[in-house]
Amino acid sequence: EPEVTQTPSHQVTQMGQEVILRCVPISNHLYFYWYRQILGQKVEFLVSFYNNEISEKSEIFDDQFSVERPDGSNFTLKIRSTKLEDSAMYFCASSPGTDSPLHFGNGTRLTVT
Amino acid sequence: AQRVTQPEKLLSVFKGAPVELKCNYSYSGSPELFWYVQYSRQRLQLLLRHISRESIKGFTADLNKGETSFHLKKPFAQEEDSAMYYCALPTIPQGAQKLVFGQGTRLTINP
Repeated sequence: EPEVTQTPSHQVTQMGQEVILRCVPISNHLYFYWYRQILGQKVEFLVSFYNNEISEKSEIFDDQFSVERPDGSNFTLKIRSTKLEDSAMYFCASSPGTDSPLHFGNGTRLTVT
Repeated sequence: AQRVTQPEKLLSVFKGAPVELKCNYSYSGSPELFWYVQYSRQRLQLLLRHISRESIKGFTADLNKGETSFHLKKPFAQEEDSAMYYCALPTIPQGAQKLVFGQGTRLTINP
């Protein structure tokens, strides 16, 4: 069964550095998402992406964040200048349609020191 | 605003005992609700959705609009049911699905 894959599984970075989290959604899916989960807290929606543009973003997704689909397979989340509070598990997800369940990746654990 | 509440962070039951994981929601409209499960070292995956009204791995969940609840139940727990369970409410505000999650319940099945 096809899966959403995320790399790396764990990323450690220093405060102020830029990070790029990578995701390969399932190939025939059209909708792409990023969620994050700070340790001990809820899984939170960050952003959805469809037809090469952001369709919705949460209050968390400020100017420090950006997403891109640079080619036909990858979907990336960039954090321009990381803060300590960006430390979290970041999940990528994709779905074929708006009424289909999301398929999640295994997540990337981001640690900002 | 849409909200999902799972009142129990931890739930521990013995193998063979009934299990009920609670979920309450706040939503103005006709909701569809999901239960996602995350087994140890695995990804979040859909367990079941209200609209399909099916039983997956012996689990069922009934939407109770009067009580705004979508509790997950299984009559006889098995050790492999130990996992993190998340209740989620999908909304489609801008044409793409956005999930609002509860905080999750860690279910432990004791032998």
